[in-house]
Amino acid sequence: EVQLVESGGGLVQPGRSLRLSCTASGFTFGDYPMSWFRQAPGKGLEWVGFIRNKAYGGTTDYAASVKGRFTVSRDDSSSIAYLQMNSLKTEDTAVYYCTRKGAAAGPGYMDVWGKGTTVTVSS
Amino acid sequence: DIQMTQSPSTLSASVGDRVTITCRASQSISSWLAWYQQKPGKAPNLLIYRASSLETGVPSRFSGSGSGTEFTLTISSLQPDDFATYYCQQYSSYWTFGQGTKVEIK
Repeated sequence: EVQLVESGGGLVQPGRSLRLSCTASGFTFGDYPMSWFRQAPGKGLEWVGFIRNKAYGGTTDYAASVKGRFTVSRDDSSSIAYLQMNSLKTEDTAVYYCTRKGAAAGPGYMDVWGKGTTVTVSS
Repeated sequence: DIQMTQSPSTLSASVGDRVTITCRASQSISSWLAWYQQKPGKAPNLLIYRASSLETGVPSRFSGSGSGTEFTLTISSLQPDDFATYYCQQYSSYWTFGQGTKVEIK
C-alpha cells in the first residue's frame, strides 16, 4: 500500500525551529518529487515547499510566505522527506501535509497525501 | 501567482441532487486542474486530474470539465458520503487552491 506518514509536529514558541519528517512506503521513493502543503485552522490549503527527485537535480522551490525560513530535503536511502522550519511565526500554525507529485516531470498534481501533522506556534 | 476562485462557497443540497461547483483561474492553465474532496479532520483526497480524468477508485458520479480558465466539478447524484468540502487546484505553475466549497445537507 502506498503510504506517507508525517511526524514531528507539536507546540513550539515563536522564533524557534521544528523539523517535520515524512516516511514513505509502498513505492520507489527516489522516483518521485515530493511536496509539503499546510492548512491553518478553519482555512484552505496552501502549498509550502517542493523538492524534485535526484534525476531532476533534487532542487527545491518554496512559497513566498516561507522562503528563507523553511527548507525541504530528502533522504532517498531511508525514503524520508523533511521540512525544516526555522524562525517560526504564529501564522505558521497549521496541519502540515506531505504529498507525492504524481509525475516526475512537467505539471503534476498530488496523488498521495499523508494524514498530516499539527504544528502550533504559540508562546 | 495564479489565483483560483471557486463558487459557491457553500452549497446546500439533498441526497440524489445533481451538484455543480465552478472554479475560475486568473489566467489560462490549459487543463492542469485537479479536484479534491476533504472531510473534517482528514487529508484531501484526489478525485479528478487534468480537468476531466477520474482518479482510480473514485465513483463515476463525479465528473470534471473545462479548460483554459473555467472549470466545473459535477456530482450527478449526491450520496450521503459526498457531504464534504471540495477544492480545485491548479498545477500549471506551482500549486494554488480555490477557497473551497462546502457541500452540506439541505
